[in-house]
Amino acid sequence: SQQGEEDPQALSIQEGENATMNCSYKTSINNLQWYRQNSGRGLVHLILIRSNEREKHSGRLRVTLDTSKKSSSLLITASRAADTASYFCATDESNTGKLIFGQGTTLQVKP
Amino acid sequence: EAQVTQNPRYLITVTGKKLTVTCSQNMNHEYMSWYRQDPGLGLRQIYYSMNVEVTDKGDVPEGYKVSRKEKRNFPLILESPSPNQTSLYFCASSLSGRGGEQFFGPGTRLTVL
Repeated sequence: SQQGEEDPQALSIQEGENATMNCSYKTSINNLQWYRQNSGRGLVHLILIRSNEREKHSGRLRVTLDTSKKSSSLLITASRAADTASYFCATDESNTGKLIFGQGTTLQVKP
Repeated sequence: EAQVTQNPRYLITVTGKKLTVTCSQNMNHEYMSWYRQDPGLGLRQIYYSMNVEVTDKGDVPEGYKVSRKEKRNFPLILESPSPNQTSLYFCASSLSGRGGEQFFGPGTRLTVL
């Protein structure tokens, strides 16, 4: 079952610019997580935001959560070429804890 | 180093030849899961395990089997692989099954001819 949907599907920016990715979901959640995947490799956890939180920061990452709109955004500030990757949001079904991943946003940061 | 390992990393096989992809974690995690990743379909859960001897179907379990005899290991078994099981497979683990951070293995790229 598909829960999170990311927007845009692909994003291309210059190094130093900010990148914003959005995620929408359908059912109630306990938390929402963002993961990064470098080409063909395993996903790496970036940040988790709980349903009672509105904003969270981690280094150059800023995540917001709007439970009334069932949406989240991931902002990467001052992007670097090394940020080139696919980014996935994942939501947990509040009754089972199962994580459901979105389709991902492919980010390309040009040097 | 805390990690999830998978073997093999790459495998090319033929239809019907049974195979096992191993997964092991060294973090004493209770929850383990298998996903497959296909272009345009994202990550889909195959099977998961909340603890030893406790396994359950995910979204796409057909054609797969799993077992959880030890806490650290969660092998994925394809009894009779078919070409539609050609995919990139990931094993993941987390402390518990309650929606926490998941740690992923490096992936196994399987091609079934």
